[in-house]
Parts: sequence; C-alpha cells; structure tokens
Amino acid sequence: EAGVAQSPRYKIIEKRQSVAFWCNPISGHATLYWYQQILGQGPKLLIQFQNNGVVDDSQLPKDRFSAERLKGVDSTLKIQPAKLEDSAVYLCASSAIRGTWEQYFGPGTRLTVT
Amino acid sequence: GEDVEQSLFLSVREGDSSVINCTYTDSSSTYLYWYKQEPGAGLQLLTYIFSNMDMKQDQRLTVLLNKKDKHLSLRIADTQTGDSAIYFCAESLKRDMRFGAGTRLTVKP
Repeated sequence: EAGVAQSPRYKIIEKRQSVAFWCNPISGHATLYWYQQILGQGPKLLIQFQNNGVVDDSQLPKDRFSAERLKGVDSTLKIQPAKLEDSAVYLCASSAIRGTWEQYFGPGTRLTVT
Repeated sequence: GEDVEQSLFLSVREGDSSVINCTYTDSSSTYLYWYKQEPGAGLQLLTYIFSNMDMKQDQRLTVLLNKKDKHLSLRIADTQTGDSAIYFCAESLKRDMRFGAGTRLTVKP
C-alpha cells in the first residue's frame, strides 16, 4: 500500500512570496489533515477535511493560509503572503473513517522563509 | 494544563531500557498514541492504546496508561541505536489529535 505523498520536499522563498504544497493521501482514506510543525515542537493541526468538506479549520490563519480538497482526494495548502514565522515543516496525514482514527503521515515539506 | 507534556531529552546506553513519559490533558481521550520521528521524515505510528486499557505490549514496546493521573508511558526494552529518534505522544478525542513537543531519545553505543 502506497503511503501519503507530499511535494515538494523542500522549499525556500522570500517573505511576502506565495507557496503551495501538495498532498496525496492513502487510497480510500476519507480524512485528510494538514499540520504545521515548527522546529522543536509537536505538530499543530491547521485543517482537517472529511472527503471534500472542512471538518475543522479553527487553527488555520485564514488571512494568509488556504487549503482545498476539491475532489475528496488530493489536497493543496497555500500560503500567501508568507511570513518569516511560517518557516516550518508542513505535514499531511490521512486516516480511514472507521477504527482507531490512526493517522498516517507523509514525509512533510520543509519551508524556509527568508 | 492545556498542553500534552513530555520531557525533552532522554539518553540511554544500548541494551538498556528506555522509558518515555507523557502527561495528557483530557480524561475523555479515546485513544492515546506514540509516534516516532526520524530526522527528515514524517511521523511513524509506533503503537496506540485504547482508553479502557491500562497496558499494552507489542514486542519490545510496552505502553502503560494511568487514567487517574492522565499519565502515559512508553517503555522500549533492549534499546538499540536505531531507536534514536524523537518520540511524540498524542491524545485523540476520536478525530481531533493533540501532540506533545516530543522527547528526543539518544542511544549511546
């Protein structure tokens, strides 16, 4: 079974630029999550989708971050404009709708804002 | 408190047992998890325990849960250098997951 795929793996941008990350979850997983992991901290949930609907986006800074999952499969997370404090690893995870809700994580995208 | 708390560092000798401790926040948490993160990689689920259990053993891993104190621990028997990583505990209220800051385990030969 293929795991959660993310791209790109690394991105360096200047502040005020925009950036987009892509995630392809495990096939059949209805729930998709985006996390922000700042160096030295645990992941913090940004947004959760079930199929193509948003379940929780209470921690998403909506003035600059947006995310979509149009067909209920792939998802993109965008930052526009980026700030220095957005430097972090952005992790995508997916889970099946039943069972233990265990989440499977992708390798992450490391974003550096200069 | 509001945060899932873990000690930041643990260092052990190869072959010894490691015990990583965690205090979680919500007594209603349904599942509690331990994840492992190696450098440059995403989080890998190691094991989980359902809230109505107090112990779970899986090969070299033993999870202990004390619901009264909201305390979770992970014991790794016969720790190897390949176990060096950051270990995160997480609590789940079915769909909302909250992570600790992680414990960096260093295994010395």
